[in-house]
Amino acid sequence: AQKITQTQPGMFVQEKEAVTLDCTYDTSDPSYGLFWYKQPSSGEMIFLIYQGSYDQQNATEGRYSLNFQKARKSANLVISASQLGDSAMYFCAMREGGSGNTPLVFGKGTRLSVIA
Amino acid sequence: ETGVTQSPTHLIKTRGQQVTLRCSSQSGHNTVSWYQQALGQGPQFIFQYYREEENGRGNFPPRFSGLQFPNYSSELNVNALELDDSALYLCASRRPGGQVVSGANVLTFGAGSRLTVL
Repeated sequence: AQKITQTQPGMFVQEKEAVTLDCTYDTSDPSYGLFWYKQPSSGEMIFLIYQGSYDQQNATEGRYSLNFQKARKSANLVISASQLGDSAMYFCAMREGGSGNTPLVFGKGTRLSVIA
Repeated sequence: ETGVTQSPTHLIKTRGQQVTLRCSSQSGHNTVSWYQQALGQGPQFIFQYYREEENGRGNFPPRFSGLQFPNYSSELNVNALELDDSALYLCASRRPGGQVVSGANVLTFGAGSRLTVL
């Protein structure tokens, strides 16, 4: 079974609008972390935001927020006030266990295109 | 604080050859991980090194091997290259305790080495 599912291969958003990128996950471990990374065409994976399984509040980092719905096992990324520079691939990833040493498992990604 | 740098950025090999990819981590980052990203896919974990010893491995055959050096650099070696080895290879590192962000150990990634096998 897929550990991380991103159902949107591609998304378009108008500049200055908000956009939600979907991510669902599958784990039986009560301790896990969820990450979102941005990958521009240069190839580098850029960390955006993190949500721990025990965190009570949804994570926010500037224009990025994570809509964490634990019972539904979803961790959607919300980008507010989209900018042209937000055009990139976006990957949701999960780390299971509390040690921080287990590897990240990535979804297949969503390609976001911001239109002027 | 400099980032993670990888070399070469692009290379082309033929089937059956061997390749070595290099990564230079940030100072103090004693955990390094390598990931393979095939076209149109998310990265897949190859292996992880901590203090110069492998301490985790994904579903990759033994012809994928690595080394980590005391100067925070590392190598990924792939023998007997196959066409399916064509991919972007990403190196990622973190400090002890990680780049702690709300309790997370955040990996810092390089820009990758794009390998094409003909």
